[in-house]
Amino acid sequence: AQSVTQLGSHVSVSEGALVLLRCNYSSSVPPYLFWYVQYPNQGLQLLLKYTTGATLVKGINGFEAEFKKSETSFHLTKPSAHMSDAAEYFCAVSGGISSYKLIFGSGTRLLVRP
Amino acid sequence: DVKVTQSSRYLVKRTGEKVFLECVQDMDHENMFWYRQDPGLGLRLIYFSYDVKMKEKGDIPEGYSVSREKKERFSLILESASTNQTSMYLCASRGDRAYGYTFGSGTRLTVV
Repeated sequence: AQSVTQLGSHVSVSEGALVLLRCNYSSSVPPYLFWYVQYPNQGLQLLLKYTTGATLVKGINGFEAEFKKSETSFHLTKPSAHMSDAAEYFCAVSGGISSYKLIFGSGTRLLVRP
Repeated sequence: DVKVTQSSRYLVKRTGEKVFLECVQDMDHENMFWYRQDPGLGLRLIYFSYDVKMKEKGDIPEGYSVSREKKERFSLILESASTNQTSMYLCASRGDRAYGYTFGSGTRLTVV
């Protein structure tokens, strides 16, 4: 069965500092992996995704993530945090080879200090 | 870009009312989903539909039903609203598995 664990329900960084949000997954099949961002009172917006091919994927707003099969990880990073990055971030894995459902992590709220 | 439109951003309803939450997508996606989101509980799947008139229960279907009469529209129905159904409701659609979900903007429902 597929599952996702996001370490840290809250992460706080200073503006300009590195952002690292952790995601580990469990999947019985080659995974499709996704990161979403949610701003207050909004729906979720796709940041980036990994399906096949290059393991380092770049997304919107300067974010990137690296798929590491050996570590079953898909951590999200951004070299320099901006105040506008403050939001909640969700990691998700596709729910099986024939499933159209996504399995979501519990989310990480990113706080950016001035 | 795929657009998923939820008819209301904010709703206030009374206990016992029948409530309809509407969701429309414009990209001919076969799969549509309803989630609710509560602080500390993350996203929980209520129902999903993989084709017209087809539906499957998610993790928390109790107190809800759905309708999908046309491919582009997926409605969530609260048969008799209760205060514990106060929540943010998110609709999503998905076409190709490689593309993930596209979400609507959400409906924040308050039941008083």
